Amino acid sequence: NAGVTQTPKFQVLKTGQSMTLQCAQDMNHNSMYWYRQDPGMGLRLIYYSASEGTTDKGEVPNGYNVSRLNKREFSLRLESAAPSQTSVYFCASITEYYGYTFGSGTRLTVV
Amino acid sequence: GNSVTQMEGPVTLSEEAFLTINCTYTATGYPSLFWYVQYPGEGLQLLLKATKADDKGSNKGFEATYRKETTSFHLEKGSVQVSDSAVYFCALSDRYNQGGKLIFGQGTELSVKP
Repeated sequence: NAGVTQTPKFQVLKTGQSMTLQCAQDMNHNSMYWYRQDPGMGLRLIYYSASEGTTDKGEVPNGYNVSRLNKREFSLRLESAAPSQTSVYFCASITEYYGYTFGSGTRLTVV
Repeated sequence: GNSVTQMEGPVTLSEEAFLTINCTYTATGYPSLFWYVQYPGEGLQLLLKATKADDKGSNKGFEATYRKETTSFHLEKGSVQVSDSAVYFCALSDRYNQGGKLIFGQGTELSVKP
């Protein structure tokens, strides 16, 4: 089925460990986004990529890096995980005309 | 900057009750407005949208009207069902001022009891 695929679905890290969250879309969308969801705070934008080869910071970029590997893939990396990064992470892609599609999320716990 | 404010939850209703979830926004340009729904353990799904003033978005019995004069986009449904239990997010996107990024409200949890 067409859509946005995120891996892994669940992950537990120890403080200081690193990991990469993967996201891929098969809808030929230009723009891709990484959000985090925390209770009572809605979704907050971490990084986005308006097109292949470009990335920009969102509202809460500290502690994260991203790579737009190609038009399909947009990964989010935590270099040194902290408990404050415990959250649910969502990847999304959009067309020019507001066709937003979200992945099913990655639930990350940092202990 | 642009922002979205939703009524706080949780909202608990009996089946067949009328639902209103308030949403107001602040924007410098001419945003598009959205309601997303998140069922337990799932990602967000677009419920409805409106792209200009006085537009009404509708889907699955839910409606919301883009009111520029009151900067509001309240979500309504005439008769809720248990299956409507979810978290609802109001969001805006200002294509010309912030590159189309979605800005979300904090979400409103709805629980519908039989």
